[in-house]
Formats: sequence, structure tokens, C-alpha cells
Amino acid sequence: QLVLTQSPSASASLGASVKLTCTLSSGHSSYAIAWHQQQPEKGPRYLMMLNSDGRHSKGDGIPDRFSGSSSGAERYLTISSLQSEDEADYYCQTWGTGTVVFGGGTKLTVL
Amino acid sequence: QVQLQESGPGLVKPSETLSLTCTVSGGSISGYYWSWIRQPPGKGLEWIGYIFYSGSTYYNPSLKSRVTISIDTSKNQFSLKVTSVTAADTAVYYCARHPTGSNYIDYWGQGTLVTVSS
Repeated sequence: QLVLTQSPSASASLGASVKLTCTLSSGHSSYAIAWHQQQPEKGPRYLMMLNSDGRHSKGDGIPDRFSGSSSGAERYLTISSLQSEDEADYYCQTWGTGTVVFGGGTKLTVL
Repeated sequence: QVQLQESGPGLVKPSETLSLTCTVSGGSISGYYWSWIRQPPGKGLEWIGYIFYSGSTYYNPSLKSRVTISIDTSKNQFSLKVTSVTAADTAVYYCARHPTGSNYIDYWGQGTLVTVSS
């Protein structure tokens, strides 16, 4: 079964960097994912698509501070030079034949 | 710039049918897959289903018996119907686009809150 696992919460200081993790279920380590950001009281916004080899393509207007990388079944979103507006929920998303799957989301707190 | 806008009643009575429409502007509805996703208050995202512009559909197995997604290419719109709703169907409902050749989501609507209550 295709499942994405995310830690429920993360925190980092203003100006620092943070690395969020999304883990693919067993047997699905070659799958690409997408990262989406949901700021408080807003709808989600597409950040980037991330392949298993670490190649990623970002959405329009997404700052260079946001980057993606991969290792095995893990997909990462790194945010550098954290700003207050980066405080949000971050969701990973993948897909299979006739299905779309979301991770449970990580709530990022900027201290 | 592609824009998606959900519309429909914000309040639906239990056991009735929830109906929403997503209007696509700034681009054609043809050539893409289009999804409905929902988010109960304080919870995560749940995929409901998607439709190809040709009309073929795929649904989340947990909702399949109650959900119908349809498309009207002449109006650049696609729609969602959920039958026999209960309070558990109370959520913000989003429509979204999948780019050609892949099924990640690259555009989201702003969402609309639907409350199921008598």
C-alpha cells in the first residue's frame, strides 16, 4: 500500500535552516513526490516536484530558499534562512495508478 | 496564470447531496487531470477523486460509493457530488489541477467550507 509518513511537528529559529522528511512506504522508494505549503487559514500552495534522484522542479515564484533532495525512500524539503511566513503546514503528495496520496503533514514552527 | 475557483452551498443538511463546481480560468480544462481534495477542520488533506478531461474518473475507495465527479469542457468546469452526507463530510473542499504527464498537483483552488448540519 502506498503510504507517506511525515513527522507531525518541527521547529527552527528565525534565520536558521530546517529539513523536513517524507518517507515512502516499503516497495515505493522510486516514486516521485510533490511538496505543498499551507499557511494558516489559507489553501495549499505547490512548492516543488521531487524525483527519486533528487532532481526537482519548483512552482512559479517559489524562492531559492526552498530546495529538495532524496535518499532511498526519503524525500526532503530544506528551507534555509527561515522567515516568519514560512511557519505553515507542509504536506508531501505522491501518486500511483488511479490514486493520489497525501502525507499527514508537518507543522513547522519558526521560533 | 491558471486559476481555480470552487463554488456551491456552504451548508448542507444530513442525508442530502453536497454539490460543488470548480471553474477554471486562465487556461483550458482540456488535456489535464482535475482533482477534488478535502480537509476536515484541524485535520490533513484527503484526496476524493479525479477526472480526466475526456471524462474518465478515479475515486478514493473509501468514498467511491457516494462520490461522482463530472466535467463540462464547454464551460471549463468540473463538478463534485457527494451523496448521503453526514457531519463527517464537513470540510474545506479544494479543487486542483495535475500537470500533463504526471499526477502531482501544480495548481490549487482557494477552497470552500461546506458544513453538514440540520
